Amino acid sequence: EPEVTQTPSHQVTQMGQEVILRCVPISNHLYFYWYRQILGQKVEFLVSFYNNEISEKSEIFDDQFSVERPDGSNFTLKIRSTKLEDSAMYFCASRGTGRIRAFFGQGTRLTVV
Amino acid sequence: GESVGLHLPTLSVQEGDNSIINCAYSNSASDYFIWYKQESGKGPQFIIDIRSNMDKRQGQRVTVLLNKTVKHLSLQIAATQPGDSAVYFCAENMKENSGGYQKVTFGTGTKLQVIP
Repeated sequence: EPEVTQTPSHQVTQMGQEVILRCVPISNHLYFYWYRQILGQKVEFLVSFYNNEISEKSEIFDDQFSVERPDGSNFTLKIRSTKLEDSAMYFCASRGTGRIRAFFGQGTRLTVV
Repeated sequence: GESVGLHLPTLSVQEGDNSIINCAYSNSASDYFIWYKQESGKGPQFIIDIRSNMDKRQGQRVTVLLNKTVKHLSLQIAATQPGDSAVYFCAENMKENSGGYQKVTFGTGTKLQVIP
């Protein structure tokens, strides 16, 4: 089965530092997403991306967050100045055109200290 | 209702028995409803979906029931196995506010513990 790949699997960063979380979506997918899951809680939508622009973002996705598709294969989430409360699992997902099923990566565990 | 904090509803089931996991949803405009399985340390994994104009759909060992009258969704797992132990999330697939694009909105999870 095709896979969404995320790197790194675990990132520890100091408060105030910038982090970039990386994702390689499934190759023929055109819709990309970032989700966040704080430990023990539900998976929360952050942002969706299509045709090289954000199509929707949640209240969580404030000015500290940005996404980019720097080339034909990568999709990144940048947090400009991390806060303690940004500590969570971050999941990337992708979806094919006309498909319902979104494929999720294994996640990046971000720990802000 | 919403579940906050670190405590997920937990369902403990004996191996071989059937499991029923329930979910209430709020948005009547959702196109599809989906069940995801999340094993410890992993991302959500698609199990099965059901279109909003259906009331039942069966997969391999799983059945999803949709009751739009009471906005209730359930996942039935037949002959539950230890490998079914995970957190199960119901989710809604709806068109985004910008129109045309879909996103998945997750509900509260239920932890399924299978007792060998």
